[in-house]
Amino acid sequence: DAGITQSPRHKVTETGTPVTLRCHQTENHRYMYWYRQDPGHGLRLIHYSYGVKDTDKGEVSDGYSVSRSKTEDFLLTLESATSSQTSVYFCAIKAGRSTDTQYFGPGTRLTVL
Amino acid sequence: GENVEQHPSTLSVQEGDSAVIKCTYSDSASNYFPWYKQELGKGPQLIIDIRSNVGEKKDQRIAVTLNKTAKHFSLHITETQPEDSAVYFCAAIQDGNQFYFGTGTSLTVIP
Repeated sequence: DAGITQSPRHKVTETGTPVTLRCHQTENHRYMYWYRQDPGHGLRLIHYSYGVKDTDKGEVSDGYSVSRSKTEDFLLTLESATSSQTSVYFCAIKAGRSTDTQYFGPGTRLTVL
Repeated sequence: GENVEQHPSTLSVQEGDSAVIKCTYSDSASNYFPWYKQELGKGPQLIIDIRSNVGEKKDQRIAVTLNKTAKHFSLHITETQPEDSAVYFCAAIQDGNQFYFGTGTSLTVIP
């Protein structure tokens, strides 16, 4: 998984509660990404980061915020979780400056009741 | 934004036969096309990719072809084995950060 860990791997929470997912990488990659995966939609980009404190929105960013205070950690926060945010969340990194290739972590399964 | 369509959504083949998965994209600015394999409970794993200046790329039993004029690209797996059973995703990328994925193909290889 390209030196990427995600925590927690599984989480069940209730509607309206805040949730933070963590992505940790050990190889000093500049670019990090958060995706969600849902049946019938494939993977969709939520937010990405191109450096410490530098982030940008993806295709489905509403209801999510991110933070990157150090190179190795990229946090995804659901300020007030909703049932529509039940999904599997994947973190990814881009390897190298001259390549567009993204490598994915193992995923976090989030259930919002 | 880009729109990537992937077909078929499910595919069953006999062991040893070939499997072909096709994707189309809408934006001619897309210039990089990776394919990922996802096994149950795991993250997608890159298996092969192709750039818009290349028409075909091969890696052992796996090959990808790209037709820029028609805006479609395909994954070909020859001599399929049971361990090839997984969900396969195509993607199209324009500026290096915005990846647009297809909806996936569930491949089953029957022993």
